[in-house]
Amino acid sequence: EVQLVESGGGLVKPGGSLRLSCAASGFAFRSYSMNWVRQAPGKGLEWVSSISGSSSYKFYADSVEGRFTISRDNANNSLYLQMNSLRAEDTAVYYCARAHHSLGEYWGQGTLVTVSS
Amino acid sequence: QSVLTQPPSVSAAPGQKVTISCSGSGSNMGNNYISWYQQLPGAAPKLLIYDNNKRPSGIPDRFSGSKSGTSATLGITGLQTGDEADYYCGTWDSSLSANVFGTGTKVTVL
Repeated sequence: EVQLVESGGGLVKPGGSLRLSCAASGFAFRSYSMNWVRQAPGKGLEWVSSISGSSSYKFYADSVEGRFTISRDNANNSLYLQMNSLRAEDTAVYYCARAHHSLGEYWGQGTLVTVSS
Repeated sequence: QSVLTQPPSVSAAPGQKVTISCSGSGSNMGNNYISWYQQLPGAAPKLLIYDNNKRPSGIPDRFSGSKSGTSATLGITGLQTGDEADYYCGTWDSSLSANVFGTGTKVTVL
């Protein structure tokens, strides 16, 4: 069974940093590209970042380019999102998702990030 | 700001059919496959349709997808109260080198 479990969310002050993790199981993690998608309270889905299976390719939304860094550890079946210079508008539930014929074939349950003073 | 446009809401009575449109441009929907996602209240999104019209295992055939040019449509037949959710289209935008989502459509079962 494919499982994706996010962690690392919480309350952080503007300008602060946070690192999100996504623990994957039930599939050959290294064989799949992975995505981070976020959803601000009461808003729609917003793609944040993608990484290929070998980490050769990384893509970012303009809204996070230069502040967020996506990475993965295939030996430990883990996906990460390092978030720096956080802003109030980064407040959202962050989902990790496995890509296959789509951005999100499987999704985690999400982790809430709140940026507030 | 979403580059794919969907109607904010659609509604119909139980057993009826609804369709949700998704409109984009040549750089996204014109050149790439479309996916559709269902997000039930308080839950994570779930893949409904991929590659324009294919259903993952476990998705009932009440859900269907189609694409023509720079527009796509999600159809739901035999509407059930459990179908009340937000629905999003998504695809890759070759000009932006970014994944993009639609604005989302809320389905209400009357």
